[in-house]
Amino acid sequence: AQSVTQLGSHVSVSEGALVLLRCNYSSSVPPYLFWYVQYPNQGLQLLLKYTSAATLVKGINGFEAEFKKSETSFHLTKPSAHMSDAAEYFCAVNYGTGTASKLTFGTGTRLQVTL
Amino acid sequence: GAGVSQTPSNKVTEKGKYVELRCDPISGHTALYWYRQSLGQGPEFLIYFQGTGAADDSGLPNDRFFAVRPEGSVSTLKIQRTERGDSAVYLCASSLRPGDTGYTFGSGTRLTVV
Repeated sequence: AQSVTQLGSHVSVSEGALVLLRCNYSSSVPPYLFWYVQYPNQGLQLLLKYTSAATLVKGINGFEAEFKKSETSFHLTKPSAHMSDAAEYFCAVNYGTGTASKLTFGTGTRLQVTL
Repeated sequence: GAGVSQTPSNKVTEKGKYVELRCDPISGHTALYWYRQSLGQGPEFLIYFQGTGAADDSGLPNDRFFAVRPEGSVSTLKIQRTERGDSAVYLCASSLRPGDTGYTFGSGTRLTVV
């Protein structure tokens, strides 16, 4: 069964510091991979997605993620954190099309940004 | 509409009551999904519609839950005999067609069963 593991339920960084949120998936078949952000009392907003094109994916708000098949990872990074980045981040995987297009989400990582 | 609309945004109900949660997808989107997000967890898949039919309902937890999408647009998630464990945020999402990657989520309905 497909699964996604997010290491670290809480991550705290200083403003201006590097953000690194970890995501690993379980599969021998390259899936589609996503990062979503959720601000308090809001729905999920797509940050970026990997769909078997370029392995380095650039998203909104300065975030990017790199698909590494050998490590089955899709870690999210941002060079310099901003206070407005404080939110919950979810990694998700989708293994196909049609009836298999549902997403499986990780448990989320709450990012705290301090002054 | 411009986005996925979910109503109500909050719903408090008594244990044992029946509730309906509504989702209005982006106009023209044929695929519609329902997810449930419990406190401190990621969203969990409930059901997926392709047009009017439920293509995959494997995530519905039991027969108290069912959903409809009679005209291929608006969908209603229905929960009978609600239990306290049903308390969660119910999220709806839509995509232009099945298999589209990265679909659009609504803001959710927060259901509290007391």
